[in-house]
Amino acid sequence: DVKVTQSSRYLVKRTGEKVFLECVQDMDHENMFWYRQDPGLGLRLIYFSYDVKMKEKGDIPEGYSVSREKKERFSLILESASTNQTSMYLCASMGPGNTGELFFGEGSRLTVL
Amino acid sequence: QKEVEQDPGPLSVPEGAIVSLNCTYSNSAFQYFMWYRQYSRKGPELLMYTYSSGNKEDGRFTAQVDKSSKYISLFIRDSQPSDSATYLCAMSRPYNTDKLIFGTGTRLQVFP
Repeated sequence: DVKVTQSSRYLVKRTGEKVFLECVQDMDHENMFWYRQDPGLGLRLIYFSYDVKMKEKGDIPEGYSVSREKKERFSLILESASTNQTSMYLCASMGPGNTGELFFGEGSRLTVL
Repeated sequence: QKEVEQDPGPLSVPEGAIVSLNCTYSNSAFQYFMWYRQYSRKGPELLMYTYSSGNKEDGRFTAQVDKSSKYISLFIRDSQPSDSATYLCAMSRPYNTDKLIFGTGTRLQVFP
């Protein structure tokens, strides 16, 4: 059974704190993605990665960075969290053939106070 | 104007009803069309995938694409309370199939 695991389901952080969101997939997929999901705005792509140590900006990369040191792990970093980064963060991976099937984790709900 | 438009709902129907969920889009380059289902407090999961125009059926679910109208639909027959979820449409272009553009999602409630 395919699995994408996000380490933290719920986080509460203060403005200015550094935040790490971790994601691990066990399907040996090359492509991994970070989205944020907000009411009325849907899913928006923050960053994605085609391979280890490779990263590409998505539609809303400002205020975020990513790290992909191993194929199975893709981390999202908020260098200095702000209240407008309060959101649901979803990690996903995509298998070969690019059929459009994204496998999502259960999400990390981040609240920045 | 958003590339993909989807009515957020909520849509509330009785068990057994036929449900129609829809998305419109503006970019004629989209060729791959998907429907994802997202249960509360879970990540989305792929429900249906179609390429270009036409219909695709899978059990109680039918996905329909009308490229001339830039309109896609998901029909659910004999809806069940377990179908209560948010349904997101998504689409992508050829040679860029890893960049999905999502609709905002329609929340569906099926009551017994």
